[in-house]
Formats: sequence, structure tokens, C-alpha cells
Amino acid sequence: AQKITQTQPGMFVQEKEAVTLDCTYDTSDPSYGLFWYKQPSSGEMIFLIYQGSYDQQNATEGRYSLNFQKARKSANLVISASQLGDSAMYFCAMRERLDSNYQLIWGAGTKLIIKP
Amino acid sequence: NAGVTQTPKFQVLKTGQSMTLQCAQDMNHEYMSWYRQDPGMGLRLIHYSVGAGITDQGEVPNGYNVSRSTTEDFPLRLLSAAPSQTSVYFCASSGRWDSGNTIYFGEGSWLTVV
Repeated sequence: AQKITQTQPGMFVQEKEAVTLDCTYDTSDPSYGLFWYKQPSSGEMIFLIYQGSYDQQNATEGRYSLNFQKARKSANLVISASQLGDSAMYFCAMRERLDSNYQLIWGAGTKLIIKP
Repeated sequence: NAGVTQTPKFQVLKTGQSMTLQCAQDMNHEYMSWYRQDPGMGLRLIHYSVGAGITDQGEVPNGYNVSRSTTEDFPLRLLSAAPSQTSVYFCASSGRWDSGNTIYFGEGSWLTVV
């Protein structure tokens, strides 16, 4: 079974609209963490937002917020007021314990294109 | 303000050649890892390290070696390059797992094996 699922391979959104990128996860570790990264066409990985499994409130960072629904095992990224520069690949990742260490598992990504 | 430094950024190899991708971080991070990213795909873990002298295999370790003699450096060695190793390689580092630390990435290394 997939541990991290991003169901939207690609999305087109009109500039200035809000965007929701889906991410569902599966883990038995009670103390996991969830990350979202942006990868523009230039290739670098840019950290956007982090949510710990015990965090009481949804994480927010500027225009980015994480809609964390623990019971549904979903951690959707919301981008408010989208901009042309938001066009990129977006990856969801989960960090969970593996024995005495941890592992980071990545989703397949969503390609977001913002239309002017 | 270097963060994670990866070299080289671009490399073309012939099948059978060996090479080393360098990775260094100046944040005193314990955790370092190497990923590969194939076109249109997410990241796959090759090898990782939880501290100097300690390394372990990830999801796709075959054909690669790593070592961690210092906290700062985590080189990735391709022993005998194959066309299937054509990919973009990312080095990443982070602080302790239980601190919810951000994972920092290098800029990536584009490797083509012909």
C-alpha cells in the first residue's frame, strides 16, 4: 500500500484563485511529521511547510497553510491567492520512525500550473 | 550561509566509469541522505546516515556507496556507472528527528550516463 498518495498528477488554476493540493498518508507511527516542498522548473527543492502529528493547530506559513485532518490521514496544502510564480511541482512527504531511526517517504508529486 | 553544498551540478559519464558526488553541510546536522529523482517522479532514497561513521541503505542502494567520516561530508560514489543511473541526485540534511527540523536540500546534481 502507498504510504503517501498525491492523487492529482496535474492541476491548472487561474491566477489569484486559491489552490488545494491533496495528500493522504498511512502510518502506524504516532509521532510522524508531514512536509510540503516546492520544486520549480529550475530543479531545487524548496521547503514550504511542516506539520507534526501532535501539533494542535494547522501549520501556516504566509500564503501556505496545511489542512491537517488527522482522523482522515490527510494533509492537504492550501495556497491562497495563487501567483504565476507558484507554477511548479509540489511534493508531500512523511517522516516516520523506522526502528531507532526515521525514514522520509515522498509522494509522486502534483504539477501545478497557474494560468494568467 | 552555505547550507547544503553539492558538486558537481552537471556531469556526463560513460558506462562503466566511476565518480563521486560530493555533499557538505555546515549546520552540524546529524542526518544526511542521498536521493535520486527520475523524470516526472518523486524522490527515492539511496543511502542515509544518522551520524559520523554510521550509514545505511535506502530504497535503491544498488550501484552506490557512501561513507560518513565527518559530520559535514557525505559523498556518494557510483562504482560503475550504468545508463539506468541517469537521474538528478539530491543530498539532504536535517537536525535531530525529534525536533521537527526542516530538511535542507542541495541544489541537485544532473548526471547523464551514456
